[in-house]
Amino acid sequence: AQTVTQSQPEMSVQEAETVTLSCTYDTSENNYYLFWYKQPPSRQMILVIRQEAYKQQNATENRFSVNFQKAAKSFSLKISDSQLGDTAMYFCAFIENTDKLIFGTGTRLQVFP
Amino acid sequence: AAGVIQSPRHLIKEKRETATLKCYPIPRHDTVYWYQQGPGQDPQFLISFYEKMQSDKGSIPDRFSAQQFSDYHSELNMSSLELGDSALYFCASSANRPYEQYFGPGTRLTVT
Repeated sequence: AQTVTQSQPEMSVQEAETVTLSCTYDTSENNYYLFWYKQPPSRQMILVIRQEAYKQQNATENRFSVNFQKAAKSFSLKISDSQLGDTAMYFCAFIENTDKLIFGTGTRLQVFP
Repeated sequence: AAGVIQSPRHLIKEKRETATLKCYPIPRHDTVYWYQQGPGQDPQFLISFYEKMQSDKGSIPDRFSAQQFSDYHSELNMSSLELGDSALYFCASSANRPYEQYFGPGTRLTVT
């Protein structure tokens, strides 16, 4: 069965600093997609970044980038120049050849001024 | 840009009552997904529809049913509500890139 593991329940970072959130997953498939979603206190689920497993190049979206290590089944999110608005729960998610997004348990990130 | 619309945003029902949640996908999105997020938990996939046909099914109770209509909006019908059904219910939609799901703001259902 596919699983997604986020081993950091909580993280904190100072404003303008860089923080990395960890995620590992388990699958026997070769083709799949990985995502990071952000859930701020409003509870809205916001897509932050997407990575296709067949692409070796790590995805980047402005201050957000990933370190995708396919052999290690690792998919970490790096947030550069952290802002107060980045305070949220971050979910790593995984999808194969179905419609079902499988989420990790989340990492609560607090950005301090 | 237009987003996924869900109504109502908040709903309070009593045990054994029925609830209907509605979802209006982003224009030109043809696939709709439903997720349930309990307190302090990650979202769990319930069901999805592509072109008005059920596409995939997850851990959806038999008391729940859903459908997608000709205008692509979807409704989740929940009957014989239980206290454990209290949760945030998300609808998401996608288009040409089926693995990129955009979520609505959610409907918070409270069963008393």
